[in-house]
Amino acid sequence: GQSLEQPSEVTAVEGAIVQINCTYQTSGFYGLSWYQQHDGGAPTFLSYNALDGLEETGRFSSFLSRSDSYGYLLLQELQMKDSASYFCAVPYSGAGSYQLTFGKGTKLSVIP
Amino acid sequence: DAGVIQSPRHEVTEMGQEVTLRCKPISGHDYLFWYRQTMMRGLELLIYFNNNVPIDDSGMPEDRFSAKMPNASFSTLKIQPSEPRDSAVYFCASRGTGAVDTEAFFGQGTRLTVV
Repeated sequence: GQSLEQPSEVTAVEGAIVQINCTYQTSGFYGLSWYQQHDGGAPTFLSYNALDGLEETGRFSSFLSRSDSYGYLLLQELQMKDSASYFCAVPYSGAGSYQLTFGKGTKLSVIP
Repeated sequence: DAGVIQSPRHEVTEMGQEVTLRCKPISGHDYLFWYRQTMMRGLELLIYFNNNVPIDDSGMPEDRFSAKMPNASFSTLKIQPSEPRDSAVYFCASRGTGAVDTEAFFGQGTRLTVV
């Protein structure tokens, strides 16, 4: 099976940098995804890491260490609109197919 | 494409009634997922289909829950009879064929309240 652990809540100041960590236990690991969900909205895809290292997309970066079963999402130059829940997720291929298992999410509050 | 379309957006029903949630995936996507989201349990995968065939329904909580995908453009999730503990937001998501990094697209969800 799969399990992902991430902090339940994080608060950060507008303009600052915040890191949201995720540790995972899974069989057949392929990579780590991150999704964002605003209150009342649907989860939307942010990034995917298959290899170790840092992937940067604008203000957001995502990091993976396969040997440590660990990843994080880094948000820079925080804006009020970044207040949302952030989920790490692993795609798992069982029986030759695919599914996506999510962590319980980290609620990020950006304060002025 | 209009994205993944779910209906209804909100549903309030009485305990014991049958509830049917509907989903239209993005055209050309051959994976369809049903998730349930609650504060306590987060996003739980209930069932998923590949090319209209159910692949894994181990997340379906009880026999009261059933899902069908009669064709590539339509899926339903049915709860019969419904119970208050089924109250949650139910999301449908679809994904195209590709490597495991292919993103999943979510519908706006159905907020179900069973009273």
